[in-house]
Amino acid sequence: ETGVTQSPTHLIKTRGQQVTLRCSSQSGHNTVSWYQQALGQGPQFIFQYYREEENGRGNFPPRFSGLQFPNYSSELNVNALELDDSALYLCASSLRQPGGETQYFGPGTRLLVL
Amino acid sequence: GQQVMQIPQYQHVQEGEDFTTYCNSSTTLSNIQWYKQRPGGHPVFLIQLVKSGEVKKQKRLTFQFGEAKKNSSLHITATQTTDVGTYFCAGPDSGYALNFGKGTSLLVTP
Repeated sequence: ETGVTQSPTHLIKTRGQQVTLRCSSQSGHNTVSWYQQALGQGPQFIFQYYREEENGRGNFPPRFSGLQFPNYSSELNVNALELDDSALYLCASSLRQPGGETQYFGPGTRLLVL
Repeated sequence: GQQVMQIPQYQHVQEGEDFTTYCNSSTTLSNIQWYKQRPGGHPVFLIQLVKSGEVKKQKRLTFQFGEAKKNSSLHITATQTTDVGTYFCAGPDSGYALNFGKGTSLLVTP
């Protein structure tokens, strides 16, 4: 196991609602990244947080937002949910270091938007 | 932007047969990472390749990074039912984000 935890494991929402997903990083890691994985696809990068600041963002609209806390845990917030937001949401923690970093994924939150 | 492509999309083998998946990037990569995702699970890190022409082995798995650092492959010798899952390659995009391919789903029948 990676030591990365996510909650909740499953969630059902209706279109237009808002959702908050949570992630606890692996001990010693200072960076957290969020990915969306639609069925049959590879994970798509949403954004990354390093030392509580957004450090890069993928091609996702502003209604996807996040936070990283001093203990390096993180939240992903999605407003005005759409049906296409139904997916597995993965957080990955890593230790920022020269030469690249390995990202360790949590078990994910499966979101269904009806 | 950078694109990472994997082929084949699906592969069905008999237990004991070999399996290979190929990954190609539209741009030169500083490194490439491979992940395995079991059905209903999450991606699990397998390995990172950094050097041009690098070859690494993990038991029955052999990973290669191309000389131009734009392609990579994963070869599994004598597949077992425990190898079932989707194998993803991923390369760093701008900053530290990982750009994943769509994966190769491997089915192994006994």
